[in-house]
Amino acid sequence: AQSVTQLGSHVSVSEGALVLLRCNYSSSVPPYLFWYVQYPNQGLQLLLKYTTGATLVKGINGFEAEFKKSETSFHLTKPSAHMSDAAEYFCAVSDLDYGGSQGNLIFGKGTKLSVKP
Amino acid sequence: NAGVTQTPKFRVLKTGQSMTLLCAQDMNHEYMYWYRQDPGMGLRLIHYSVGEGTTAKGEVPDGYNVSRLKKQNFLLGLESAAPSQTSVYFCASSYNPGTGSPDTQYFGPGTRLTVL
Repeated sequence: AQSVTQLGSHVSVSEGALVLLRCNYSSSVPPYLFWYVQYPNQGLQLLLKYTTGATLVKGINGFEAEFKKSETSFHLTKPSAHMSDAAEYFCAVSDLDYGGSQGNLIFGKGTKLSVKP
Repeated sequence: NAGVTQTPKFRVLKTGQSMTLLCAQDMNHEYMYWYRQDPGMGLRLIHYSVGEGTTAKGEVPDGYNVSRLKKQNFLLGLESAAPSQTSVYFCASSYNPGTGSPDTQYFGPGTRLTVL
């Protein structure tokens, strides 16, 4: 069964500093991996996803993530944090079974990112 | 194009009361989902549907029922609310067969439910 572990429930960085949010997964099939962002009192918005192909995936708002199969990781990075990046970030893996179709997502518990001025 | 909408946005219930949460999407998506979000728990799947007239249980289905009578709507029912069902509920949808792949889910803004 698929699972997701996000290391660190709360990460704090200074404005302009590197953002690194960690995600490790387990999956019995080649995974589809996702990062979603949730701003206060809002729903989740897709930041980026990895399905197949290039392992470095670029998303919205300057974020990117790299799929590393050997490390079973999909860490999210942004070179320079902005105040507007303060939000909760969720990593997710899909239990899409090739040949199946549900696309159910298994979410990590989330990481709250704070950005200090 | 409103995307995914949820009604109501907020609700307070007393233990034992019933209610229905409505989710609507205008993207011609085949799949729809109901999640609950609790602090420190991430999102957990309650029920989902892969097409009109079909539903299936997710990770935490107990105490909830769902119906998908129309493709664009997915209803979540609480027959006898309990304090443990206090949560924020999110609906999501995915997969337009003509244009998209099943993997990306689009989320509604959420319903904040408190059960006293």
